[in-house]
Amino acid sequence: EAGVAQSPRYKIIEKRQSVAFWCNPISGHATLYWYQQILGQGPKLLIQFQNNGVVDDSQLPKDRFSAERLKGVDSTLKIQPAKLEDSAVYLCASSLVRLGTSATYEQYFGPGTRLTVT
Amino acid sequence: DQQVKQNSPSLSVQEGRISILNCDYTNSMFDYFLWYKKYPAEGPTFLISISSIKDKNEDGRFTVFLNKSAKHLSLHIVPSQPGDSAVYFCAASVAGTASKLTFGTGTRLQVTL
Repeated sequence: EAGVAQSPRYKIIEKRQSVAFWCNPISGHATLYWYQQILGQGPKLLIQFQNNGVVDDSQLPKDRFSAERLKGVDSTLKIQPAKLEDSAVYLCASSLVRLGTSATYEQYFGPGTRLTVT
Repeated sequence: DQQVKQNSPSLSVQEGRISILNCDYTNSMFDYFLWYKKYPAEGPTFLISISSIKDKNEDGRFTVFLNKSAKHLSLHIVPSQPGDSAVYFCAASVAGTASKLTFGTGTRLQVTL
């Protein structure tokens, strides 16, 4: 079974530029997550999709971050304009679980995109 | 507001000995807990989990213990192997939230020869 794919793996941009990350989840996984992991911290959830709908974006800085999951499969996360504090690893994860059920399944993570903003 | 805490940023253990990684949480709504392992330049990989209805779950060399009254869980690795050297994250979720995870800050485990 193919894992979660992410691209690019590394990206260096200057502040105020824009950047986009792509994620392809495991086939059949309804739920997709984007996390931000700043150096020395644990991953922090930015946004959670079920199929192509957003179920939680409470921690997404919406003035500069946006995300979409068209057709309920692939997803893109965009930052525009980037700030120095956006330097982090952006992790995409997917899971079988569906909102509204009590079942809990582990999330499968991609390798991440390391973003450096200079 | 750090709802999941891992107070030891690093731990060094000799090969063959027991590694004990600790995690504390503050949100009493959490009812499912997971441990993830992360190697450099890779995403976290699931290791083991435990539901709040249990106090212990074992999988090979890995055992997770949950003390609900103390809001504390621990991961035991016995025996520790050099390949276990990685960063370990504790995570917690609430049933019905589609596994939205809250992570701790991680503990870097180094297993020495």
